[in-house]
Amino acid sequence: GAVVSQHPSWVICKSGTSVKIECRSLDFQATTMFWYRQFPKQSLMLMATSNEGSKATYEQGVEKDKFLINHASLTLSTLTVTSAHPEDSSFYICSARPITGDREQYFGPGTRLTVT
Amino acid sequence: GNSVTQMEGPVTLSEEAFLTINCTYTATGYPSLFWYVQYPGEGLQLLLKATKADDKGSNKGFEATYRKETTSFHLEKGSVQVSDSAVYFCALSVFSSNQFYFGTGTSLTVIP
Repeated sequence: GAVVSQHPSWVICKSGTSVKIECRSLDFQATTMFWYRQFPKQSLMLMATSNEGSKATYEQGVEKDKFLINHASLTLSTLTVTSAHPEDSSFYICSARPITGDREQYFGPGTRLTVT
Repeated sequence: GNSVTQMEGPVTLSEEAFLTINCTYTATGYPSLFWYVQYPGEGLQLLLKATKADDKGSNKGFEATYRKETTSFHLEKGSVQVSDSAVYFCALSVFSSNQFYFGTGTSLTVIP
């Protein structure tokens, strides 16, 4: 149980285009989902926290107009990278916290974004 | 504040060697502590966790004990295998916050 999926697993796009990444909790409901960014050989950097039905909370330094987050249901959150640039190339990982109140976060497998 | 300090790598060990990866933390409140493992090109997988002082988390031969007196959660394994090669992250979560605080990760390579 407690499986989180991400789609796509990898994507290549051209500069200036937008890319949407989906994060789904497959067998549980999640009140809160988190989006992280990971640079090569570095730790995870929290980008934003999204709660179902409300606006996401962005960490300092993260452009909310560039990284649009929508948490439409208790099992789905999406991250849209708008007007992508090569410096947005990274590994994006989502996680979900169950509605049951478990402190644990369950992580998705990640999405590798490459902007050319 | 809340933070995790993790032993820097990379760590290279021979198969069947003993592994220790140090992790210490600072926290406001009562943290839960976690070890996650990341294999190349993949996301994070929970390896083990402990939710209160003196708890021992264990999984797949890995162990870590929540030591409140030393604010530590060191990861150990008695005999590593090549398949254990991965990056290991120590993390904490406090009740008052949604956020996870990660260490910088320790890369482990096990050679035959």
